Amino acid sequence: GEDVEQSLFLSVREGDSSVINCTYTDSSSTYLYWYKQEPGAGLQLLTYIFSNMDMKQDQRLTVLLNKKDKHLSLRIADTQTGDSAIYFCAEKDSGGYQKVTFGTGTKLQVIP
Amino acid sequence: NAGVTQTPKFQVLKTGQSMTLQCAQDMNHNSMYWYRQDPGMGLRLIYYSASEGTTDKGEVPNGYNVSRLNKREFSLRLESAAPSQTSVYFCASRARGLGDEQFFGPGTRLTVL
Repeated sequence: GEDVEQSLFLSVREGDSSVINCTYTDSSSTYLYWYKQEPGAGLQLLTYIFSNMDMKQDQRLTVLLNKKDKHLSLRIADTQTGDSAIYFCAEKDSGGYQKVTFGTGTKLQVIP
Repeated sequence: NAGVTQTPKFQVLKTGQSMTLQCAQDMNHNSMYWYRQDPGMGLRLIYYSASEGTTDKGEVPNGYNVSRLNKREFSLRLESAAPSQTSVYFCASRARGLGDEQFFGPGTRLTVL
C-alpha cells in the first residue's frame, strides 16, 4: 500500500528557517498536503500542491515537490514560537474513494 | 459555523465496555471520515462515508462500527472496547473542490483500561 514517511522531530531557533521533509511512494498522487496540529487540537490544512506543480509559495511557507524522487518539503521562513506544532505530510491518490494517506508527523520545536 | 464537532473530548472505558463517539459537521459536506492517531503511526483511516447512506471500511476497521445518521452526523461505535483501542480519534469532513481539503474535529482522547 501507499506509504508516507517523515522524520519525527525537528528543532530550530526562532527566526531561522525550518525545512520539514517527506517522502511518499504512491505514483498516482493527485494532491499533496501539509497539515498542522497544535497541542490538543485537530489537524488544520496549511497548504497543498497539485502533483503536476514543482513549487508553491504562500507567505512564509514554501512547498517544493520533486515528483521524480517522490519528495515533498515544507519550508517555513522566519520561524516563530507559534509555529511549534506537529506537521503532517499527506497525499491523496486518484483511486475510487480518493484515499488520503498521512505521514507520522514531524514535531517542530522552536527555541526562543 | 462550528465546523466539525466531536463529543466527548475525553473518555475512559474498561475492557469490554461499549461507547459511541459522536461527530457532526455544519458545512454541508458529503464525505466524512473517522481516523485514529497513535504515536509514531500518523493517522489511520477507520471508516469513511462518501455520502449520506453509505459507509465503507478504511485500513483499520476491526472492532468498530459506524453510522451515517444523516448528512451532518457520523458516529463511531466501539462494541467491546479493548486496550489496543486506546487512541485519539478524529472525525473529518471533506470539501469537494480545489484541493479537496479535509476539515478535522478537535478529537476524542480515549483510554481503555
